[in-house]
Amino acid sequence: ETGVTQSPTHLIKTRGQQVTLRCSSQSGHNTVSWYQQALGQGPQFIFQYYREEENGRGNFPPRFSGLQFPNYSSELNVNALELDDSALYLCASSDTRILAGGSSGEQYFGPGTRLTVT
Amino acid sequence: KQEVTQIPAALSVPEGENLVLNCSFTDSAIYNLQWFRQDPGKGLTSLLLIQSSQREQTSGRLNASLDKSSGRSTLYIAASQPGDSATYLCAVKGKGGATNKLIFGTGTLLAVQP
Repeated sequence: ETGVTQSPTHLIKTRGQQVTLRCSSQSGHNTVSWYQQALGQGPQFIFQYYREEENGRGNFPPRFSGLQFPNYSSELNVNALELDDSALYLCASSDTRILAGGSSGEQYFGPGTRLTVT
Repeated sequence: KQEVTQIPAALSVPEGENLVLNCSFTDSAIYNLQWFRQDPGKGLTSLLLIQSSQREQTSGRLNASLDKSSGRSTLYIAASQPGDSATYLCAVKGKGGATNKLIFGTGTLLAVQP
């Protein structure tokens, strides 16, 4: 089991509402990435935070936004929820300093938050 | 644009059988490739990570190989057990760029029958 935690475990929201999901990265990891996994699909990259700034984004609209805090934990915010936002949201932590030094770059995933939009 | 494909989409085998899961990718300029296991409704558990300079990695009954030039990786599971039943995902990280973005396949759903 990794040291990456996510909350809440499950969430039910209504279309048009806003939601905040939380992730605590593994100790010592400075980079958090967020992924959306629809049923039966592989995870899709939403964005990555490094040193409290977004430094990469996938093909997701601006209503998907995030934050990273000085302790490297992170939030994913989704505004104006749509039915298609129903998915498992995963965060992954890694240490970019290790990556720059040519080491593994392995990513560790949390258990996910299951979001249902009705 | 990198695309990752996994074949087969689903596989059912009797307990004790050795099996191979396949992963292919279209752009050979990768930094590394990771194999993950996912139990229903759960997060991802990293099984093996292969750097682009490596040919294979082993952990217990699992062996993953990487052929970058042909854009292929295989995950070999020896002496399968019912507890191995899960979805197996492969993912590649491309070279260059500022992110640790992983591109995933859609997975292989494995059922090991007792």
